[in-house]
Amino acid sequence: AQSVTQLGSHVSVSEGALVLLRCNYSSSVPPYLFWYVQYPNQGLQLLLKYTSAATLVKGINGFEAEFKKSETSFHLTKPSAHMSDAAEYFCAVRGSGGYNKLIFGAGTRLAVHP
Amino acid sequence: EAGVAQSPRYKIIEKRQSVAFWCNPISGHATLYWYQQILGQGPKLLIQFQNNGVVDDSQLPKDRFSAERLKGVDSTLKIQPAKLEDSAVYLCASSPPGGETEAFFGQGTRLTVV
Repeated sequence: AQSVTQLGSHVSVSEGALVLLRCNYSSSVPPYLFWYVQYPNQGLQLLLKYTSAATLVKGINGFEAEFKKSETSFHLTKPSAHMSDAAEYFCAVRGSGGYNKLIFGAGTRLAVHP
Repeated sequence: EAGVAQSPRYKIIEKRQSVAFWCNPISGHATLYWYQQILGQGPKLLIQFQNNGVVDDSQLPKDRFSAERLKGVDSTLKIQPAKLEDSAVYLCASSPPGGETEAFFGQGTRLTVV
């Protein structure tokens, strides 16, 4: 079975500051990991994904995430926050093999202040 | 390419009434998902189809919710009778075969039960 824990339901940063959103996963098999962003009244949009090719994954809008198996983590970072980054961010996990479910975390709401 | 289409975008019904949501996935995507997203929470998987077969419906309240995917393409999700706690956004997503592939989401249907 797979599960995801996102630490911090709300994160607030200043414009230009580092963004760090935390995600820890649990999986009985090697996982595939995803970060999605959701703007108000919109569906979810993929930011990036880990599929075992490389542990440091770069995504859209300057975001990146590092897969750390020893820590069972997949934290999302961005060096410099922009006002347009304010949104809800979701981490998701799927186990490898078969038709395993895509399971989401509870989400982290990112606020960016001028 | 066209994205995942959902209708309606918004629906308001009284408790004990019935409601149906429609989803048209991206052409060629074998996997289709229905998620329930309650305000302030992450998406919860209700049902996952592979072509027109169900691969997981463990969190679908089967006494009131039903879903079908005809001919492995379009899908409908029905609630009968609705309860106040069913108020949520219902998200449909689709993905190509393979655990490493991401899910593509529609804009969702916001259901309000009064």
